[in-house]
Amino acid sequence: GEDVEQSLFLSVREGDSSVINCTYTDSSSTYLYWYKQEPGAGLQLLTYIFSNMDMKQDQRLTVLLNKKDKHLSLRIADTQTGDSAIYFCAVTDSWGKLQFGAGTQVVVTP
Amino acid sequence: ETGVTQTPRHLVMGMTNKKSLKCEQHLGHNAMYWYKQSAKKPLELMFVYNFKEQTENNSVPSRFSPECPNSSHLFLHLHTLQPEDSALYLCASSQEVLGSVGTQETQYFGPGTRLLVL
Repeated sequence: GEDVEQSLFLSVREGDSSVINCTYTDSSSTYLYWYKQEPGAGLQLLTYIFSNMDMKQDQRLTVLLNKKDKHLSLRIADTQTGDSAIYFCAVTDSWGKLQFGAGTQVVVTP
Repeated sequence: ETGVTQTPRHLVMGMTNKKSLKCEQHLGHNAMYWYKQSAKKPLELMFVYNFKEQTENNSVPSRFSPECPNSSHLFLHLHTLQPEDSALYLCASSQEVLGSVGTQETQYFGPGTRLLVL
């Protein structure tokens, strides 16, 4: 099955860039997602990238995909206190099922 | 507002109680999902309904019973739960393409029901 791994914690100062990394094992993944979960809330879709792309930019968010290394990253430019949340990487496996990582807790300090 | 609502948002129940979680999606999707989120563990897919038919049951104990009366509503009936069932239960929906394999349409999540079993 698919294994999706993320680091558990990231601390970043307000105004700096955050980079959240994710690795996966199934090379047939077609869609790769980033979700954000704020305290007490459900998952909010942030962005996604199709496997034939290597970069996608959406305002302060930049997604990079390295298919060779099976590595996905999310960069948040000019990180704000409202960006404090848990960020989940999710990829589709060869059956089209969505597999999630354990989530990265991002804490933004003033 | 994600278009997927869940009620109740919080629920405390004893091990002998029977309760139900409700999910409603306003996105016109044809697939709905129940996930369990426990602390420090990846999300666990519990049930999948495509076109109102249950297509997946990930070895979930029978004390959890799903019901999908139509493509907009999904229920999770709870009976004689255990304390280890305490978690955040998330509902999601997506628009699946009939007959497609290996593709995954984007899933949109509700806010979840925080369940505590005493």
